[in-house]
Order: sequence, then structure tokens, then C-alpha cells
Amino acid sequence: QSALTQPASVSGSPGQSITISCTGSSSDVGSYNLVSWYQQHPGKAPKLMIYEVTKWPSGVSNRFSGSKSGNTASLTISGLQAEDEADYYCCSYAGSSTVIFGGGTKLTVL
Amino acid sequence: QITLKESGPTLVKPTQTLTLTCSFSGFSLSTSGVGVGWIRQPPGKALEWLALIYWNDDKRYSPSLKNRLTITKGTSKNQVVLTMTNMDPVDTATYYCAHRKYSGSYFDYWGQGTLVTVSS
Repeated sequence: QSALTQPASVSGSPGQSITISCTGSSSDVGSYNLVSWYQQHPGKAPKLMIYEVTKWPSGVSNRFSGSKSGNTASLTISGLQAEDEADYYCCSYAGSSTVIFGGGTKLTVL
Repeated sequence: QITLKESGPTLVKPTQTLTLTCSFSGFSLSTSGVGVGWIRQPPGKALEWLALIYWNDDKRYSPSLKNRLTITKGTSKNQVVLTMTNMDPVDTATYYCAHRKYSGSYFDYWGQGTLVTVSS
């Protein structure tokens, strides 16, 4: 069970949009619409941003959106803001009630 | 309001067994569809899922660590305990517990995490 593949880093300017990819396999991302995304600021616990590929938890800005195509899920952040600078992790159900995380992506707001 | 908090030793020696407790409030682990998971994060590295326990006592483990992990409901009904045997310096990490929804398969509430260092 290898970690889901994410780019190590992405960057964008305030107001722009960025997309973070999360590539898995037919055993996890490709088989289930159960991908979630987490935001983590330095020294803080992760925060749920997206669940079930496209859904927002209460209180999360709709500037964050999720999608999936085949074995790859994506997180898009529109209208980039300085406070969006953080690490982002994808997570997928992997069958048999197991879970797998991505390697994480550092977002820099220029 | 759901809250979780991890507790346990901050320092363990190699080969020792680590025991961590997750104390929670705002939900019951007896409620259908509810689970608690453990996730760890070595310094500067990615999150890694370790174990899950559900309301029906179903237990799941990371395939790479399952031989070293045990997750149980605590003696207090609002606690979950994780034990990890044969600790090694590479197990140095912040350990988080989190509330999980079985149906949607996501962690929606997280504890603050506890840093465990493995060193002689």
C-alpha cells in the first residue's frame, strides 16, 4: 500500500487559482468516491476541507473544490489568499475499511 | 462540540512499547457509524494512517504496521487506546487521533497531536 502521489509543491499569486493532484490506483482513488482533502498549517492539526470527492464540511469556503477522474483526484483553490498557504493532503478509502494518505503538497502563495 | 485529545509518553526507548490514549467528548463510540482513528506524522513528513476502531468494535490496521499495532476501546467509554510494540527511532512522530464517519470515510475532527520521540 504505497502513499498516494501528490506534487511536492505548488505556488500561485493572490487571486489566482491552483490545482493539486492526487494520483492513486484502481484499488483506492479509482474505485471509490471517498477522497478527502486536509489543510495543515505549521504546528497545527490537519483540517478537513473536502470529503467524498466534492463535498464541503460546514464552515469551509467554497473557494475550495474537489474533483476526480479515473485514478486521480484534484483539489482546486480559487481566489488564492495568503491564509491558504499550508500543506495539503489527500486521503482515500482503500477497501476493507483501510485508508491511505498522499505524500502532501506545500502550497506557497507568492 | 466534538473534541479529542491524545496523551501518553513524550519519550520512549527503542524496543519499548508505546501506549497512547485518545480521550474524546461530544460523541459516543457506541453510536452507529462512528469511528476513531490514529494517524502519525514524522517531523517534516507526511501523514500516515495507523489504525481505526468503529462503534461495532471492528478494527483495521495499516498493512505495513499491523503486526505492531493494537487499537482498543478504553476502560472509560470515552477513550481509545493505541499500542505500538518494538518502537524504533523512525517511529518518532506526532501522533493524532481523529473522529471518523464510517459512511463518508473521512476524519472530520482531530486532536491536537502528541509528539513521541524514540531515543535511548
